[in-house]
Parts: sequence; C-alpha cells; structure tokens
Amino acid sequence: ETGVTQTPRHLVMGMTNKKSLKCEQHLGHNAMYWYKQSAKKPLELMFVYSLEERVENNSVPSRFSPECPNSSHLFLHLHTLQPEDSALYLCASSQVTAGLRSPLHFGNGTRLTVT
Amino acid sequence: GESVGLHLPTLSVQEGDNSIINCAYSNSASDYFIWYKQESGKGPQFIIDIRSNMDKRQGQRVTVLLNKTVKHLSLQIAATQPGDSAVYFCAENMGGGGSNYKLTFGKGTLLTVNP
Repeated sequence: ETGVTQTPRHLVMGMTNKKSLKCEQHLGHNAMYWYKQSAKKPLELMFVYSLEERVENNSVPSRFSPECPNSSHLFLHLHTLQPEDSALYLCASSQVTAGLRSPLHFGNGTRLTVT
Repeated sequence: GESVGLHLPTLSVQEGDNSIINCAYSNSASDYFIWYKQESGKGPQFIIDIRSNMDKRQGQRVTVLLNKTVKHLSLQIAATQPGDSAVYFCAENMGGGGSNYKLTFGKGTLLTVNP
C-alpha cells in the first residue's frame, strides 16, 4: 500500500460525459497534487493544494477542475474532455515544511481513456 | 526551459549484477533530488532522495551520487534482482522555501533484469 488511494483505477468516458477522480491520503500530509502522465513524456504537474488552498495551476484547461475539501481528500472533476486527455492521472501528497524538502508519495493512478 | 534528462532510455542487466542509472540536470539552482521507481500498472514509488549539500547517500541496496560540478545524478542498485525491473526516473526541485511545487521529472530509464 502506498498510503495514497486513487479511485477508480480505470475510467472510460465519452467526450460529453462528466466524471470525477478521487484521491485520499492516509499519511497525514498537508499538500496534495494532481499529475498527468502521458506516454513518452515526463510527469506534468496539474494542480497543487497546500493546506487546502490551491497554490499553483499550470495553465491546465478549464475542462479539468480540482477540489480539495480537506487535507486528506482531493478530487479532479472532468467534463467535455478530448481524446488527447487520455492518460494516467496520478495523485500525490507530501509534507510541506518551511525550509525542508520532502518527497512526494504517489497513488497508483487512474487510467483514463476518452473516446 | 531547463529540464532533467536521462542518458540511457533502456538498461538491461543480469541478475546479481550492479546497475547504474544516470540523470543529467541543467539547473544549477536545484537543491533537492529524488529517485523514483515505477512498475507497470503502478504509480511512482519513492526510492531515495538527496540534498545538494551532500554528494552521496545510501539506502537499502541503493546509493545515490550527486556531482554538482557536472550536474549529474546517478542511482546505483547493488545485486540487482528481477523485482527491480521497472522504469526509474529522477526529479529535481528548483523551488525556494519548503515546497516541492517546482519538482521537474525526467522521462525515465527502463531497467530490465535478466534471470
């Protein structure tokens, strides 16, 4: 177990559907992240929430909408996606402490296919 | 922009041999580095990290070496086992403060261990 649980593991959706990805961390961390992993490309940061406030949004299209109701839960709401959005979506968490570095801990991802 | 890259996209070794996976980085301001292992169907798993004030750090069967002069990072795996077969990638943190918001990932090296 990674301490970061993502559901569902696989998702197939049409371009007109609305779906949500869920992430829960059991590590007591205070920051959570959404990453996109596409074939042959490095991990791309989508959203960061630290202490439940969004800190950075790397110009992700508005068809992706994050939600972080508390420090343990993170959602990614999806609507009117495009086929090129098909990828592995990874959630991660970390402990953010001023002046210190700490690694991100990842879940096993949601494999998303947009048809 | 500056990014993390890997010298070798694939590496094949015999079981029991030592493996060395290399990573080049170009941002001299990076002060924290992480190695991850990603097995098929799973999310990235934290292996080991190192701060820029160190040049070597050892874990269980793994050693990370940091050469800031040539901006080079390597992961050494001792007595490689079939279970070590995975994609390995490094990440560098260019951010200030205590965050991992500017973590940049490399594309990865596929390690295959032959029995």
